[in-house]
Parts: sequence; structure tokens; C-alpha cells
Amino acid sequence: KQEVTQIPAALSVPEGENLVLNCSFTDSAIYNLQWFRQDPGKGLTSLLLIQSSQREQTSGRLNASLDKSSGRSTLYIAASQPGDSATYLCAVSLLIGSARQLTFGSGTQLTVLP
Amino acid sequence: EAGVTQFPSHSVIEKGQTVTLRCDPISGHDNLYWYRRVMGKEIKFLLHFVKESKQDESGMPNNRFLAERTGGTYSTLKVQPAELEDSGVYFCASSQVRLLPGAETQYFGPGTRLLVL
Repeated sequence: KQEVTQIPAALSVPEGENLVLNCSFTDSAIYNLQWFRQDPGKGLTSLLLIQSSQREQTSGRLNASLDKSSGRSTLYIAASQPGDSATYLCAVSLLIGSARQLTFGSGTQLTVLP
Repeated sequence: EAGVTQFPSHSVIEKGQTVTLRCDPISGHDNLYWYRRVMGKEIKFLLHFVKESKQDESGMPNNRFLAERTGGTYSTLKVQPAELEDSGVYFCASSQVRLLPGAETQYFGPGTRLLVL
């Protein structure tokens, strides 16, 4: 059974700081890994998707890496801003039959202080 | 292009009543998923449709939950009768079918917040 863990559960940083969010998973046979952000009371916004054959993906100030062998992914946020405050979720996709269900971590709640 | 939409945004019902949640996926997305988050827990998978066919129902908690996707467009999730432990946020997601499944990004709707009293 796939388990996804995110550390830390909460993080508070001053504006402008670079930061790293961590995600680990127990089963390395994944199709892909997605990072999402969720604002309070809102849905999930997809940030980055890393396919199992890829090592990293970048979008603006965000960079996500994937190390399947060790079961780890990191989300790097450069020059953090107060608008980055949200909960960040990591999810992995396993092939089970012909399905592609996502298994989620519990998230990291990020607060960027102005 | 419109994103995934869900209706209603909130629902408060009494134990034993019936509630039907609706999801409209992004146009052209054949994959449709239902997930839910109950209080204090991670988001959990419920089921997956490809067009109108159920591909995986392994996450459905019990037979009080019924999902349909007639015509392969929008989907409904009915809870009958609702129990207290069904309270939570129900998310719908959709994705395009790709030649490489690993390239499929799932796009989520805003969720329906269900409270069973």
C-alpha cells in the first residue's frame, strides 16, 4: 500500500527566503508525482507534474525534483512571497489495473511573513 | 477554458437524508475522478471513470455511495442514506487521456463541503 508523507507539517518563513518542502513515498513504482497548492476553502491547483522518467520540473520560482529510487521529491520555492502562503500537497499516481488514482500526503502549511 | 466545476459548493443535511453532488469536468477530458477529505485526514481516492465506464471503484467506502456518469460528460455522486462520518469535502478531478499515462495532469474542482448533522 502506497503511503505519502510530507515534512514539515507547517512552516513559517520571512518574505524573500528560499525554502524546500519534502515529500516521501513508500512504493517507487509510480507513474508520476504532482505538487498542488490549496488555498483556504478552495480547490487544488496543480503546480507541477513530474513523470516517472523525469528528474525535475520547473515553473517560474518553483522547482520540483524526483528521486524514485529513494522515494523522495522536493519542491523548492525561490524568493518566497506572502502570496505563496497556502497548503502544499504532494500526490503520486500508481497504476492499479487501468486506473490512475492519486495518493496524497497530508500537506505542508506554508506561511510567508511580510 | 472553464475548469472543473462542482455543485453545490456547500450542503448541510441531516443523517438519513440523501444528497447528490455534481461534477462537470473540463471539456474533452475523458478521465473523471472523485476524491474526498474527511476531517483531519488526507485526501482519499473514491473512484475513476473513463468516459461513462467505471475503471476503479476501490475507494468507495460502502454501498451507500453511488456514482454515475451517463453519456460520459458530467458525473453525480449520491450518498443515500447519509451518515455523520460522510461529512467532509468531496473533490472531483478530470484529465485528458494521454498516450503516456504518466503525462496526465489531474485538474481539481473547488470541492463540495458536505456536513451531515
